[in-house]
Amino acid sequence: AQSVTQLDSHVSVSEGTPVLLRCNYSSSYSPSLFWYVQHPNKGLQLLLKYTSAATLVKGINGFEAEFKKSETSFHLTKPSAHMSDAAEYFCVVIRVTGVNQFYFGTGTSLTVIP
Amino acid sequence: DSGVTQTPKHLITATGQRVTLRCSPRSGDLSVYWYQQSLDQGLQFLIQYYNGEERAKGNILERFSAQQFPDLHSELNLSSLELGDSALYFCASSVTIQRGTDTQYFGPGTRLTVL
Repeated sequence: AQSVTQLDSHVSVSEGTPVLLRCNYSSSYSPSLFWYVQHPNKGLQLLLKYTSAATLVKGINGFEAEFKKSETSFHLTKPSAHMSDAAEYFCVVIRVTGVNQFYFGTGTSLTVIP
Repeated sequence: DSGVTQTPKHLITATGQRVTLRCSPRSGDLSVYWYQQSLDQGLQFLIQYYNGEERAKGNILERFSAQQFPDLHSELNLSSLELGDSALYFCASSVTIQRGTDTQYFGPGTRLTVL
C-alpha cells in the first residue's frame, strides 16, 4: 500500500533561517513523489517532483528535496525562508498500477516569523 | 496559471439545493480528479476520471456525482446540500494514467458556501 506521512502539522521558522518539512512514504516499489504548495485561498502548485532520476530534486522558489530510499523519506528544504513561503505544503506519492492514484499527506502549515 | 479552469469561483446556496461545478482540464490531459478541502477534513480525494470513464473513487458521498464528457471537461454535481458541504472544491488534471512521471495540475478551486 502507498501512503505518505507528514511528520509535522505546523512548522514555524524565522525569516532567513532554514526550512525543513518532513515527509515519509511507504510504497511497494519505487515511488514517484511530489511536493505541492498552497497559499491561502489558492489552488495547489507543484513545487517539485521525484521520478527515479537524481535523488536530489530542485524545485521552484529555492526549494529542494532529497529522496532517501533507506530512510523512506522525501524531506523538503530551503536554505533561507522568505515571508512569501508561508503556506500549506503537501507531500504526495503516486501509485502506478495501470491507473495512477495520488496519495496526499495531511499537510504542513509553514509560518515565517519576521 | 496551471491551465486548469474551474467555474464558478464562488457559489453560495441554501441547504437542500443542488449545484454543479465545472472543470476544464489542461489541453492534452485525459485524467480529471476532484478534491474537497475543508478546515476540519483537510484535502480529501473524491473521484477520478480518465477519458470519460470513472477510474477511482475516494471519500465521495452518495449525494455527490461526477462525469467527464467527450470534450474531457468534467462536472461535479452536489445535491441535497448540507451545511457541512461548505468547502473548497478543487479539480486537477494529468496527462496519462500509465506512468509514474504523471503530474497533477490543480485549478484555482470553487468555494462553496451552504447557508
